[in-house]
Amino acid sequence: GNSVTQMEGPVTLSEEAFLTINCTYTATGYPSLFWYVQYPGEGLQLLLKATKADDKGSNKGFEATYRKETTSFHLEKGSVQVSDSAVYFCALIDNTNAGKSTFGDGTTLTVKP
Amino acid sequence: EAQVTQNPRYLITVTGKKLTVTCSQNMNHEYMSWYRQDPGLGLRQIYYSMNVEVTDKGDVPEGYKVSRKEKRNFPLILESPSPNQTSLYFCASSFGAGRPNEQFFGPGTRLTVL
Repeated sequence: GNSVTQMEGPVTLSEEAFLTINCTYTATGYPSLFWYVQYPGEGLQLLLKATKADDKGSNKGFEATYRKETTSFHLEKGSVQVSDSAVYFCALIDNTNAGKSTFGDGTTLTVKP
Repeated sequence: EAQVTQNPRYLITVTGKKLTVTCSQNMNHEYMSWYRQDPGLGLRQIYYSMNVEVTDKGDVPEGYKVSRKEKRNFPLILESPSPNQTSLYFCASSFGAGRPNEQFFGPGTRLTVL
């Protein structure tokens, strides 16, 4: 079956620090990849996505590149803010069965002023 | 406002007492899905629906039922809840069943089974 493995948290950074959250996946088919963010007390919302190899998704200063050769989709941001404190989920949808979604365990990020 | 709504938001119940968590979306999405979120386990898919009257199992369907009689609604039914179903539940929907599109999530339902 499919699986997503995320960097273990929690992650604590100072404001303006560089962020990397690692995500690797295994999939039987050819997946589309997503990063979702969950702010306290809320549901998940899409941060960015990539649907094929070498695609780069970007939004709000966050970026992630679909690396088929390393089966990875690491999330990066050059300078984090306190408002980026949240839980981040890496996810995939297998294009051969778009009904099934697989999520990672989530990584909690805390940014301190 | 485009949204996914869930009711109730919080529920405390006892073992064996049937309950239903409702989910409704106003975006005319074909696809809907239920997830549960547990500490250290991330989100796990319970059931999903590609369209009206089409439902299928996710990774953790045991103890749950769903129905999709109308496009906008996708209720989650626990016929005989047990304490191991204590969790945070999310409903989600997306456009274009069969395509890997962005999912829109509801605010969550926190269920406690005593």
